[in-house]
Amino acid sequence: GDSVTQMEGPVTLSEEAFLTINCTYTATGYPSLFWYVQYPGEGLQLLLKATKADDKGSNKGFEATYRKETTSFHLEKGSVQVSDSAVYFCALKLDSSYKLIFGSGTRLLVRP
Amino acid sequence: SQTIHQWPATLVQPVGSPLSLECTVEGTSNPNLYWYRQAAGRGLQLLFYSVGIGQISSEVPQNLSASRPQDRQFILSSKKLLLSDSGFYLCAWIILGGLAGVNEQFFGPGTRLTVL
Repeated sequence: GDSVTQMEGPVTLSEEAFLTINCTYTATGYPSLFWYVQYPGEGLQLLLKATKADDKGSNKGFEATYRKETTSFHLEKGSVQVSDSAVYFCALKLDSSYKLIFGSGTRLLVRP
Repeated sequence: SQTIHQWPATLVQPVGSPLSLECTVEGTSNPNLYWYRQAAGRGLQLLFYSVGIGQISSEVPQNLSASRPQDRQFILSSKKLLLSDSGFYLCAWIILGGLAGVNEQFFGPGTRLTVL
């Protein structure tokens, strides 16, 4: 079935380090792909999205490129800040479905 | 603009007691509504979703039920809580076929439930 796989955390980085959080997916069709961020004690917020192959989603310095050939949507940021500490969820949605399918989440901890 | 409310924000309940969590959406009509549970340190589990008033789909068999008495209201309930019902409950909504055809899902602030 359709699924999303994320790298396990926690990911611990120093401030200004480069971030990559891996996400791969399995889908029977052509999904839209999303990254959500969850700050401590809060709900999820949409961080960025991409709807078709080779699209690049970007927001707040984060980027992810929809790679159909590798079925991946890795999240990257060139220089992380302490305020980026949160849990990051990768998700997919097929047009034919009412549901989003989420990965298990990756916790990011950025140290000063 | 669209907003989504959940209450209460936190709740501590004894085992065997009933539960009612409420979610309301403003600024939109006929949304698809969702209930998720997030256990401590874990990912999201979809519990229920609703495409319209009185229409509920259950994703997993469990001790919980959901109802949608109005277009913008989604309620999560239980007659008798279990310890395993503890978690962070998130309500979400989506409008299919929105701008540029991207079906984004928006989340409420969540309710943290502790069953003792």
